[in-house]
Amino acid sequence: KNQVEQSPQSLIILEGKNCTLQCNYTVSPFSNLRWYKQDTGRGPVSLTIMTFSENTKSNGRYTATLDADTKQSSLHITASQLSDSASYICVPSRGSTLGRLYFGRGTQLTVWP
Amino acid sequence: DAGVIQSPRHEVTEMGQEVTLRCKPISGHDYLFWYRQTMMRGLELLIYFNNNVPIDDSGMPEDRFSAKMPNASFSTLKIQPSEPRDSAVYFCASGRNYEQYFGPGTRLTVT
Repeated sequence: KNQVEQSPQSLIILEGKNCTLQCNYTVSPFSNLRWYKQDTGRGPVSLTIMTFSENTKSNGRYTATLDADTKQSSLHITASQLSDSASYICVPSRGSTLGRLYFGRGTQLTVWP
Repeated sequence: DAGVIQSPRHEVTEMGQEVTLRCKPISGHDYLFWYRQTMMRGLELLIYFNNNVPIDDSGMPEDRFSAKMPNASFSTLKIQPSEPRDSAVYFCASGRNYEQYFGPGTRLTVT
């Protein structure tokens, strides 16, 4: 059973525009949620980590939101740049340690000039 | 620190051959993970270690796969015998507390 659903599967936007990526999860009990960025040919890199009690967290032009009641998260990218072209992966966790992370399939974002 | 180091970066082998992937985690990290990534299945956890001890190997596909961590600075993932369906990118990651850091991956092609 897939416990993480991300939408859209792929997205194309123009440079300078904003976009929002969505994540729904069913992981329970829920502890925290990460968003990773994965550039083509490289390993994923963590953008944000939120615990169940946090609603929002920012990292530069990236802002993640979390609603633990509805089990939904979003990643908002402001003023997109060409370097934002990558796959963005939502990763909820069941425990308080690193032991069990559940990876979504990712949203492939392409930013055009 | 140089980050997580994986070798080789690319491996091409014939079906039936033994393949060994290597990983050097970041110094001081007490978790080490092996993942496999394919277009069809995305990122899958194969096995993870805590303080060099295997904690969860439920993601290891079958007996052809084995992983070891003889000390805090080295781990191997071995596939014997390899099959074409094992073709994927294999990532090693290490972590401490809430943070996890991925290596650059090994792209394995089994012909």
